[in-house]
Amino acid sequence: NAGVMQNPRHLVRRRGQEARLRCSPMKGHSHVYWYRQLPEEGLKFMVYLQKENIIDESGMPKERFSAEFPKEGPSILRIQQVVRGDSAAYFCASSPDRELNSPLHFGNGTRLTVT
Amino acid sequence: DQQVKQNSPSLSVQEGRISILNCDYTNSMFDYFLWYKKYPAEGPTFLISISSIKDKNEDGRFTVFLNKSAKHLSLHIVPSQPGDSAVYFCAASARGAGSYQLTFGKGTKLSVIP
Repeated sequence: NAGVMQNPRHLVRRRGQEARLRCSPMKGHSHVYWYRQLPEEGLKFMVYLQKENIIDESGMPKERFSAEFPKEGPSILRIQQVVRGDSAAYFCASSPDRELNSPLHFGNGTRLTVT
Repeated sequence: DQQVKQNSPSLSVQEGRISILNCDYTNSMFDYFLWYKKYPAEGPTFLISISSIKDKNEDGRFTVFLNKSAKHLSLHIVPSQPGDSAVYFCAASARGAGSYQLTFGKGTKLSVIP
């Protein structure tokens, strides 16, 4: 019974390159959330997706960031033209529904380092 | 503007004693609160939660207390064990369209000394 799977675990990119972060939710979960943790900070909400739909992207930076959750395959968080400030841990979480009694199950994160 | 505050970055406790982790919030719309535990290089793991209609919720060694008038909650761990050493995050959400959006504090690093 696999949990939320994220890959890669570590990603190093030079400034200006693209970063692609993948997330496979827990089996049976159709709701995916992306959070970002900057150094010495708490996790901050970025985007909420269901299959093929972006439900809420209010936490996403307006430029360079995009997310998708296609009908088949994992959810992808894409960061174009990365800058040093994008260096952070990116966590994906999933849930079976939106009810409050369904706590989010987090993956182990992708640590992005921009050099 | 930090809506969820954990003012103690770290806490050290002797094994077998009580650990008390504190959390304050400013947004009166928050009505559901959670504690997550995080080991290095891992994702946060859900620990315990409490709804605003309650003032206490207990699960084994873990108890969360909520004081709505003071906008304060605390997590008690009794007895503390070395395996409890981790970073503990307090999180809150507001019912409504954004109820899935958790607002996290910065975390408190708990060290349980054997």
